[in-house]
Amino acid sequence: KNQVEQSPQSLIILEGKNCTLQCNYTVSPFSNLRWYKQDTGRGPVSLTIMTFSENTKSNGRYTATLDADTKQSSLHITASQLSDSASYICVVIGYNFNKFYFGSGTKLNVKP
Amino acid sequence: GAVVSQHPSRVICKSGTSVKIECRSLDFQATTMFWYRQFPKQSLMLMATSNEGSKATYEQGVEKDKFLINHASLTLSTLTVTSAHPEDSSFYICSASALTGRGSGNVLTFGAGSRLTVL
Repeated sequence: KNQVEQSPQSLIILEGKNCTLQCNYTVSPFSNLRWYKQDTGRGPVSLTIMTFSENTKSNGRYTATLDADTKQSSLHITASQLSDSASYICVVIGYNFNKFYFGSGTKLNVKP
Repeated sequence: GAVVSQHPSRVICKSGTSVKIECRSLDFQATTMFWYRQFPKQSLMLMATSNEGSKATYEQGVEKDKFLINHASLTLSTLTVTSAHPEDSSFYICSASALTGRGSGNVLTFGAGSRLTVL
């Protein structure tokens, strides 16, 4: 069964610190992997999109990595800010672009 | 680009009434739209997938007669919660997908969500 597993389920860090969120998947073959940020009470917003041939992609303080061999991705947040408090969702898109597999998300809480 | 508009953002209704939520892709044609619900502090739960012009595919446990989904055009999908009850109170989110022909292959954009409260 194709699955996307995210860890940790929740995370609390102090403002200014770095953190890394994990996404392991079994979807195969796949076309691309995406990270979304969902603020409370809002819809998810795209952070990064990586195809199977890309290893890393950055968007400001967010850097996503992808290892297609081990089927693992990570999202690294540098110098966290209070506004980074949100849920982060990993989505893997199947090879034909018509199947979407969602992780259950990591809830990040950045404290002052 | 790739903007999805969802309306209304908040709705309060009486028990037993029906509520319609709209999801529009503003600057692209969405071949597929998805509907989710999300309870407080929980993750998104996919309710159904709809392709333009065909019947929606519902996830297990989702009542298709209660949650009516219409995807009549490439830019509009609607979710109607029929005979709503307090337990239907939730955050409903749509997303729209389309093939782009570019490197990443497709668009997947979410609406801002609709908060439904059934009294």
